Amino acid sequence: EPEVTQTPSHQVTQMGQEVILRCVPISNHLYFYWYRQILGQKVEFLVSFYNNEISEKSEIFDDQFSVERPDGSNFTLKIRSTKLEDSAMYFCASSENGGVVDTQYFGPGTRLTVL
Amino acid sequence: GESVGLHLPTLSVQEGDNSIINCAYSNSASDYFIWYKQESGKGPQFIIDIRSNMDKRQGQRVTVLLNKTVKHLSLQIAATQPGDSAVYFCAEKKGGFKTIFGAGTRLFVKA
Repeated sequence: EPEVTQTPSHQVTQMGQEVILRCVPISNHLYFYWYRQILGQKVEFLVSFYNNEISEKSEIFDDQFSVERPDGSNFTLKIRSTKLEDSAMYFCASSENGGVVDTQYFGPGTRLTVL
Repeated sequence: GESVGLHLPTLSVQEGDNSIINCAYSNSASDYFIWYKQESGKGPQFIIDIRSNMDKRQGQRVTVLLNKTVKHLSLQIAATQPGDSAVYFCAEKKGGFKTIFGAGTRLFVKA
């Protein structure tokens, strides 16, 4: 069964450093997403991406964040200058057509620890 | 405002019993509801969904009920197994791309 994959599984960084989280969405999916989950809290939407453009973003997704699809398979989330409060699990998701009734499938997540 | 929340943070059931996980939502304009299961160290896994024009949908061992009158969603798991132990999230979409997650209920299955 096709699945979303993410690397690395755990990233430790110093405050102020840049990090790039990587995802390989399901191959026939066209819509891509990033969510985050602070420990013990609910999953929060960050951004959706389609056709090389951001289609929707939350208030969390400020200028420190950017997304990119650098090639035909990878989808990345960059945090330019990490803060302590960026420590969280980051989940990538993908879906087929982006409609309301369109299930998003999640990867296993990257645990980001900012020291 | 947007809000999907759960009645109980923890539910403990005996193996073989049925489990019912409840969820309240506040946005009557939501079009689509989803239940996700999250095991420790993993991402949310799709279980079952329901559109707002339905009140019940069944899957394998799982049933989702939607009561729009009281804005309530429930997930029923039949014959609960140890492998069902996880955190369960209800989530909603109301147009747009983002899925809005509730706070989660942790299900413990006692052998």
